[in-house]
Amino acid sequence: DQQVKQNSPSLSVQEGRISILNCDYTNSMFDYFLWYKKYPAEGPTFLISISSIKDKNEDGRFTVFLNKSAKHLSLHIVPSQPGDSAVYFCAARGIQGAQKLVFGQGTRLTINP
Amino acid sequence: DAGITQSPRHKVTETGTPVTLRCHQTENHRYMYWYRQDPGHGLRLIHYSYGVKDTDKGEVSDGYSVSRSKTEDFLLTLESATSSQTSVYFCAIKDPNTEAFFGQGTRLTVV
Repeated sequence: DQQVKQNSPSLSVQEGRISILNCDYTNSMFDYFLWYKKYPAEGPTFLISISSIKDKNEDGRFTVFLNKSAKHLSLHIVPSQPGDSAVYFCAARGIQGAQKLVFGQGTRLTINP
Repeated sequence: DAGITQSPRHKVTETGTPVTLRCHQTENHRYMYWYRQDPGHGLRLIHYSYGVKDTDKGEVSDGYSVSRSKTEDFLLTLESATSSQTSVYFCAIKDPNTEAFFGQGTRLTVV
């Protein structure tokens, strides 16, 4: 029972263009959503988050959009840079429990020069 | 970077042997977590702790146990390692008003 799904295992984007990573969730009790970025042989690092009371959060080149009715969120990276090449994980936190995070399967983003 | 250290970073062990992974933090964060990362599955929660001696199961807890006798240390034990437990293990720490910070991971191979 995958509560958080990233249906695209990989994405390839040209440098300078927009990267759009998608994430779907099934549990309407999730109240907070996060994106993590992971380089090889390193631990995931926090990138950006959004509360369920908002529909957009922006931080520099990164913007996360939340569509609660569709149970969908997306991460936009503009403009994409070679250093953005990494695996991106979507995560969601439920209201109940010890602030546990449920992660998606990850999307490998490759930025081509 | 958050003060979180995992040890060992790499380990090869034989099927049936016990293995203990250690997570140590210097941030005094309340919550600690153990995840495993496998291709096609992302990060899956094994066990977590919400205080000293307070632990609970995650979604893939079978075959694993944990202990937290001090705020700074969270141990993950594989009582009898199996090949299906070959994975990369990540520890994470968190406080109520922070995001989760992850360690650098432990690559475990069970042969």
